[in-house]
Amino acid sequence: GAGVSQSPSNKVTEKGKDVELRCDPISGHTALYWYRQSLGQGLEFLIYFQGNSAPDKSGLPSDRFSAERTGGSVSTLTIQRTQQEDSAVYLCASSRTHANTGELFFGEGSRLTVL
Amino acid sequence: GQQLNQSPQSMFIQEGEDVSMNCTSSSIFNTWLWYKQDPGEGPVLLIALYKAGELTSNGRLTAQFGITRKDSFLNISASIPSDVGIYFCAGQNQGAQKLVFGQGTRLTINP
Repeated sequence: GAGVSQSPSNKVTEKGKDVELRCDPISGHTALYWYRQSLGQGLEFLIYFQGNSAPDKSGLPSDRFSAERTGGSVSTLTIQRTQQEDSAVYLCASSRTHANTGELFFGEGSRLTVL
Repeated sequence: GQQLNQSPQSMFIQEGEDVSMNCTSSSIFNTWLWYKQDPGEGPVLLIALYKAGELTSNGRLTAQFGITRKDSFLNISASIPSDVGIYFCAGQNQGAQKLVFGQGTRLTINP
């Protein structure tokens, strides 16, 4: 597609369940980022991929959070044993690494609600 | 870690008014950027600044990269209803890929 695609757009889950969020970046973009946006808060960096490797995963809040990227394209963010404080909008973005202009192209986000 | 402080957190203005918001950091950045987020969508880049002291315009938007590299401001002139949204500043370190974002300024416009 033309833009970054994320699914699901909305996810309601019960505390303790695992969830998977998917991101399909813009074709040809080698860099992929996950951010989290809590209600009324800014964008909190989670993890950055260059190709299939993650040189910076410093923003993952706990070991319940993990992410992978395969084929240099689609990425999955997994949250295990979800907690209520995990409720947020999870935004994925991609960019052309070599341009390094700071321009990230964001998807519409996956809104996660943990009951 | 690095943090960006944006102010004000929210603004309520009349259509046609000018808007000014700013962002400060405790450490320097080599690139400053301003993004806008419309409801239900991801942020979109408005302006990018790459040099200390740089002043850049994009239509009714004007932004400046502070000379100390620790601050930036964004001005919007003659606001219109479609300017409503959340404005984020972001900083990027040299050689780094990730952006550090501020908490956002929510702009509401009364017609």
